[in-house]
Amino acid sequence: DIVMTQSPDSLAVSLGERATINCKSSQSVLYSSNNKNFLSWYQQKPGRPPKLLIYWASTRESGVPDRFSGSGSGTDFTLTISSLQAEDVAVYYCQQFYGTPLTFGGGTKVEIK
Amino acid sequence: EAQLVESGGGLVKPGGSLRLSCEASGFTFSNVWMTWVRQAPGKGLDWVGRIKRKTDGETTDYAAPVKGRFTISRDDSRNMLYLQMNSLKTEDTAVYYCTTGMSEGFAIWGQGTMVTVSS
Repeated sequence: DIVMTQSPDSLAVSLGERATINCKSSQSVLYSSNNKNFLSWYQQKPGRPPKLLIYWASTRESGVPDRFSGSGSGTDFTLTISSLQAEDVAVYYCQQFYGTPLTFGGGTKVEIK
Repeated sequence: EAQLVESGGGLVKPGGSLRLSCEASGFTFSNVWMTWVRQAPGKGLDWVGRIKRKTDGETTDYAAPVKGRFTISRDDSRNMLYLQMNSLKTEDTAVYYCTTGMSEGFAIWGQGTMVTVSS
């Protein structure tokens, strides 16, 4: 199984400041046939289902604000919120689609400092 | 608008069975792979399993903790996805979500249905 490890477990950021979340996979999730990283990021608010933010490691889902960006390749990935807004308080998860079982990271809780 | 609506959750005793349903609308259900994801209270997201579309053989894959106990099926004529859960354990207590997507991520999610396994 591909293990997804997120860090930190939680972080507190001031409004308007940058938030950075890391995700490391135990093996590469880069699919060589199309050179895409099968890695997605989700945002989940309390009592709500997850919301897709980023897929293929860096492609923003339609309607997602451009303050959210994804980067990385192979085994190391980052989700960045460039200027934290109050509505961004949530838990963020990475997930790999490279192989079954599809696995999620443990989540990173983002709060306002 | 694409939508998924789960139903069938509830309280069941250990060893019991339950069948969850997920009704899809607003997109071509028969063209997509469907997945179940669960979330235990206060915990993270866990992939339960998926079923591919008919043109991909309608094959299923399961997470190790549920393999042999859970069965995923679909009825494309009714735009319905199912999760048959047998031999339920207390550790199966969770909110169960149906979702759809492939390598482009799970873009559509239901609101979830709560399953509580307790004596």
